[in-house]
Amino acid sequence: DVVMTQSPLSLPVTLGQPASISCRSSQSLVYSDGNTYLNWFQQRPGQSPRRLVHKVSNRDSGVPDRFSGSGSGTDFTLKISRVEAEDVGVYYCMQGTHWPWTFGQGTKVEVK
Amino acid sequence: EVQLVESGGGLVQPGGSLRLSCAASGFTFSTYWMSWVRQAPGKGLEWLANIKQDGSEKYYVDSVEGRFTISRDNAKNSLYLQMSSLRAEDTAVYYCARYTSGYDCYWGQGTLVTVSS
Repeated sequence: DVVMTQSPLSLPVTLGQPASISCRSSQSLVYSDGNTYLNWFQQRPGQSPRRLVHKVSNRDSGVPDRFSGSGSGTDFTLKISRVEAEDVGVYYCMQGTHWPWTFGQGTKVEVK
Repeated sequence: EVQLVESGGGLVQPGGSLRLSCAASGFTFSTYWMSWVRQAPGKGLEWLANIKQDGSEKYYVDSVEGRFTISRDNAKNSLYLQMSSLRAEDTAVYYCARYTSGYDCYWGQGTLVTVSS
């Protein structure tokens, strides 16, 4: 199975400041069709996960533009340009290239 | 509005069985792959199974292969997860999900399954 490794696992942030989460996969996530099926999910406390980004850098509908995804191959990053209070929660990267689809361990974003 | 509503969770003894349901509405259910994902208490997410639109293809993660069965009834707009030989480590919130690689992704609110004697 593809192992997804996130860092850091805990990220204390100051409101209004940027934040960055790294995700590395144990093998390339480039699919045979040329696409890279790397997703980012946000899970606020007590809520179901919500996808923020699909195929590395494409924001889902309704996702604020302060969220951005980047990367290629095996190294990926989710950035929040200016953290807001509603961004508190756990963030997961997830690969949909190789079955079984797998998630990273999660990164807990909290306000300092 | 897309809605996914899971039901059927509860307390079950080790070795027992349980059937989860997911009622879908707000979209043409029969045209989407559907999935089950779970989250153990205080832990991360695990993608369990996918089923094709017509039920002809099913994929399972190793941890549930042979014990869990994903199925669907397109006439009833419903997705199911039949779980058997349940273990303590199957205790989790189980989510129904409509995932597309590029368009959108919807999750239900989840249903809690507790495996304990």
